[in-house]
Amino acid sequence: QKEVEQNSGPLSVPEGAIASLNCTYSDRGSQSFFWYRQYSGKSPELIMSIYSNGDKEDGRFTAQLNKASQYVSLLIRDSQPSDSATYLCAVTLISSGSARQLTFGSGTQLTVLP
Amino acid sequence: SQTIHQWPATLVQPVGSPLSLECTVEGTSNPNLYWYRQAAGRGLQLLFYSVGIGQISSEVPQNLSASRPQDRQFILSSKKLLLSDSGFYLCAWELAGDLDTQYFGPGTRLTVL
Repeated sequence: QKEVEQNSGPLSVPEGAIASLNCTYSDRGSQSFFWYRQYSGKSPELIMSIYSNGDKEDGRFTAQLNKASQYVSLLIRDSQPSDSATYLCAVTLISSGSARQLTFGSGTQLTVLP
Repeated sequence: SQTIHQWPATLVQPVGSPLSLECTVEGTSNPNLYWYRQAAGRGLQLLFYSVGIGQISSEVPQNLSASRPQDRQFILSSKKLLLSDSGFYLCAWELAGDLDTQYFGPGTRLTVL
């Protein structure tokens, strides 16, 4: 069964700390991996994508992918109160036709305490 | 640059009434288009996707339907709304071949009473 799992949280970290968000997926055919940030009442915003094993860094964000373990994570360094949001993990599978199917986890709620 | 619009932003409808939500994309051609629904406190559920005009794939059998009358327009409809149709409806676009990267519109919050 296609599934993406995340710790629902809530996860609380103090300002300036590293926030670590984890995601596992069930389908070994998954090819593309994304992290979205969703503020309360707003639509998801893409913050990171990763396609190959290893780390990918973008500013304060680092995505880590381990396909053998079917695990993807997001690290947020120097966490700020403005990082407080729900973080959605998403993976894609090859579907019929040319469109991919994004399968989302239920999200991890992060609170950064001032 | 590309932008995606959805309207209306919020909608309150009685049970049994019809529904029409619209999504348009600017600044790109032949995008893949998606409709998702997010129930309160839940993850995103893919409802429909389209790879071209008139081409619709349904992921979840229900009382909703989708249409793509123009290249950059995607419409979500229902003839009779149910209470369970309440939620946050999100349209997303993807540039075909762009490594599956999807971008979301601002969403429509639907409440069925």
